[in-house]
Amino acid sequence: AQRVTQPEKLLSVFKGAPVELKCNYSYSGSPELFWYVQYSRQRLQLLLRHISRESIKGFTADLNKGETSFHLKKPFAQEEDSAMYYCALETSGSRLTFGEGTQLTVNP
Amino acid sequence: GAGVSQSPSNKVTEKGKDVELRCDPISGHTALYWYRQSLGQGLEFLIYFQGNSAPDKSGLPSDRFSAERTGGSVSTLTIQRTQQEDSAVYLCASSLSGRARTQYFGPGTRLTVL
Repeated sequence: AQRVTQPEKLLSVFKGAPVELKCNYSYSGSPELFWYVQYSRQRLQLLLRHISRESIKGFTADLNKGETSFHLKKPFAQEEDSAMYYCALETSGSRLTFGEGTQLTVNP
Repeated sequence: GAGVSQSPSNKVTEKGKDVELRCDPISGHTALYWYRQSLGQGLEFLIYFQGNSAPDKSGLPSDRFSAERTGGSVSTLTIQRTQQEDSAVYLCASSLSGRARTQYFGPGTRLTVL
């Protein structure tokens, strides 16, 4: 069965510090992975997806099939990055299986 | 253009009553999804529509839950005989068809069952 694990429910860093949000998955098929973000009082929105190999708002994520991980990284965190981050795995029929989310707080 | 919209934004009901939640997807999006976001359960998939058909209903938690989509557009999620454990935020998303498509989420309907 597919599963997404985000081990940290809460993560707090200072502005300008590097940040890494961890995500591990289990899936027998070929994974399609995403990071979605929910800022305060806003709707859930896509941050990035591995297939695009893009950097959005300074964030990157590399799919490591050997370690079954898709960690989200940013070298210098900003206060506006404070939000809830969800790692998601696309499985059959394009449904998304989400991790439980990590609440990131960037302190000034 | 307009994003995904959902109504009502909030719904308070009594245990045992039926409720209907509505989703208006982005025009032209053939795929539509319902998810539920609740404390302790995170975001759970409920059902997926491709056009008007629902090839994946595996996430519906019980036979009290049903959903339909008409005209390849608007979808309604119905919960019959609501229970307190149904209290959650119900999210709708839509996308173009195909793998690794971006799902665009609505603002959600917060359901509270007293």
